[in-house]
Amino acid sequence: ETGVTQTPRHLVMGMTNKKSLKCEQHLGHNAMYWYKQSAKKPLELMFVYSLEERVENNSVPSRFSPECPNSSHLFLHLHTLQPEDSALYLCASSSHPRSTDTQYFGPGTRLTVL
Amino acid sequence: SQQGEEDPQALSIQEGENATMNCSYKTSINNLQWYRQNSGRGLVHLILIRSNEREKHSGRLRVTLDTSKKSSSLLITASRAADTASYFCATPTGGGNKLTFGTGTQLKVEL
Repeated sequence: ETGVTQTPRHLVMGMTNKKSLKCEQHLGHNAMYWYKQSAKKPLELMFVYSLEERVENNSVPSRFSPECPNSSHLFLHLHTLQPEDSALYLCASSSHPRSTDTQYFGPGTRLTVL
Repeated sequence: SQQGEEDPQALSIQEGENATMNCSYKTSINNLQWYRQNSGRGLVHLILIRSNEREKHSGRLRVTLDTSKKSSSLLITASRAADTASYFCATPTGGGNKLTFGTGTQLKVEL
């Protein structure tokens, strides 16, 4: 589990706050992902980065802004969120963005928007 | 229904029993993966089966794939309390490594 780390593990924020989620992978991978997991819903892919370039944006609202400064770090900047954005946000990485590559997940950030 | 839909949604068994979970999908795939998630944690990859494989084993896990029925099953033999978790199947969609996950099967193994 230490291959992909996420901070913070828990975050409570108001709708007017600005916060950032951080993900770091120590596996030498080239692809990184953000997922949203809400109760009773399937895991939703938000963004995919390959070699620091965004290759997938799944119609995510602009209040979520990803940043990938290098192949080991991935951020998700949050601003003016809504209560329905409360969820578990999972980061993952894989060797390459190929469907046969195993994705390695971090422990997630439990986000609560008040 | 969605791509990668698991059945049953919840399963409760006694330790030592076998647990079987099923996954159905809609589109043609070149592989299917199973993941496990302990409560409130990240997902852990269990096994990947390719479309030209019918069965694959890993320890106490056995996965089957029937591409004609667009379905897969995950069998956990001699279950343990530590197997309590949610299990998800994932299939590639849209090219690249875009994986679509189902809502999962919640397995509870009781002592």
